[in-house]
Amino acid sequence: GEDVEQSLFLSVREGDSSVINCTYTDSSSTYLYWYKQEPGAGLQLLTYIFSNMDMKQDQRLTVLLNKKDKHLSLRIADTQTGDSAIYFCAGLYNTDKLIFGTGTRLQVFP
Amino acid sequence: GAVVSQHPSRVICKSGTSVKIECRSLDFQATTMFWYRQFPKQSLMLMATSNEGSKATYEQGVEKDKFLINHASLTLSTLTVTSAHPEDSSFYICSARQAGGEKLFFGSGTQLSVL
Repeated sequence: GEDVEQSLFLSVREGDSSVINCTYTDSSSTYLYWYKQEPGAGLQLLTYIFSNMDMKQDQRLTVLLNKKDKHLSLRIADTQTGDSAIYFCAGLYNTDKLIFGTGTRLQVFP
Repeated sequence: GAVVSQHPSRVICKSGTSVKIECRSLDFQATTMFWYRQFPKQSLMLMATSNEGSKATYEQGVEKDKFLINHASLTLSTLTVTSAHPEDSSFYICSARQAGGEKLFFGSGTQLSVL
């Protein structure tokens, strides 16, 4: 079945870049997503990438996809304190089923 | 981006009562809506997928008689937690997908606390 793993915690200094990693077992996903969740809130779609792409850049966000290694990453440039949140990667399977990673808590300190 | 409204944001109820949570797509028609459950500090677990006008598809281990899902229109899906018990206390989140679209948009979630 689908299994999506992330490291639990990441701590970075304000202004540095953050890289959040995600690995998955099932490579049949059509799209891969990154969502941000702040405490007690729903999920905010940050960006997504089609499975036949290697990279997508959107302002401060860069998504890299390595299909061979089944590895997805999200790089946040110039990380700010407002970026502190939990970040989830997710893969879309069978056109409808979205499977989430375990989530990475990003903490940004001054 | 598209807006998905979820209501209520927080509900506290007594054990044995039923609670209804609404999920609305405000500016698009959602042919498919999804219901997730999230325990503290954990990821989202898909509970069920609902398509407008048809019965919901439940994930393995989710009791369909306990978590009633109705998707009567292209903009509204409801989740009713019947005869709620303290172990049903959780954060419930809906998401909606436009027909043919690749983006899924999420509601703001409902924190259910059963006393």
